[in-house]
Amino acid sequence: DAEITQSPRHKITETGRQVTLACHQTWNHNNMFWYRQDLGHGLRLIHYSYGVQDTNKGEVSDGYSVSRSNTEDLPLTLESAASSQTSVYFCASSDANYGYTFGSGTRLTVV
Amino acid sequence: AQKVTQAQTEISVVEKEDVTLDCVYETRDTTYYLFWYKQPPSGELVFLIRRNSFDEQNEISGRYSWNFQKSTSSFNFTITASQVVDSAVYFCALSGGWNGNKLVFGAGTILRVKS
Repeated sequence: DAEITQSPRHKITETGRQVTLACHQTWNHNNMFWYRQDLGHGLRLIHYSYGVQDTNKGEVSDGYSVSRSNTEDLPLTLESAASSQTSVYFCASSDANYGYTFGSGTRLTVV
Repeated sequence: AQKVTQAQTEISVVEKEDVTLDCVYETRDTTYYLFWYKQPPSGELVFLIRRNSFDEQNEISGRYSWNFQKSTSSFNFTITASQVVDSAVYFCALSGGWNGNKLVFGAGTILRVKS
């Protein structure tokens, strides 16, 4: 069965470290998204991609980067982790016919 | 710009009460899609419904019903005879232009159903 997986599920890191969150989907969806969830804000879009080599900034992209070298993966990198980036991160993929699938989330704590 | 507003931060009801969760949206797209998701305490996002901008028919699925009104830019969600298992965070979301485009979420409504 097709799926979308995020890893790790939980991570604790120190301020200033570079961190990469993985997202892998086997739906063969062209579109992939990264969101962060914070109380009172819902899910906010960080970065998104409509296909290989395509990346776009979302609403809250400062301090984050993504790259899309293949259809399956959209890793999210925090260049220098800050306490304000403590959050739950969700990856999603979509296509026009199927709609959206979401990963189970990654809880990141920056200390 | 697109925006989704869920004005109700938190609602508490007693089991078997009916409850309506409000969602108001803003978009300049003539074609758009509206969604409701449920996030139970376990944290995953559960898809409930998708409605496109050309279909204003209300929908009922068991105890759940949705009222889509373009005239007021609202897409409200009603749970009839609420149950403890309905306790969750509920998100309304919007994608503009085409299904599968980036989603804009509301802030969410926390629903607490007490027995």
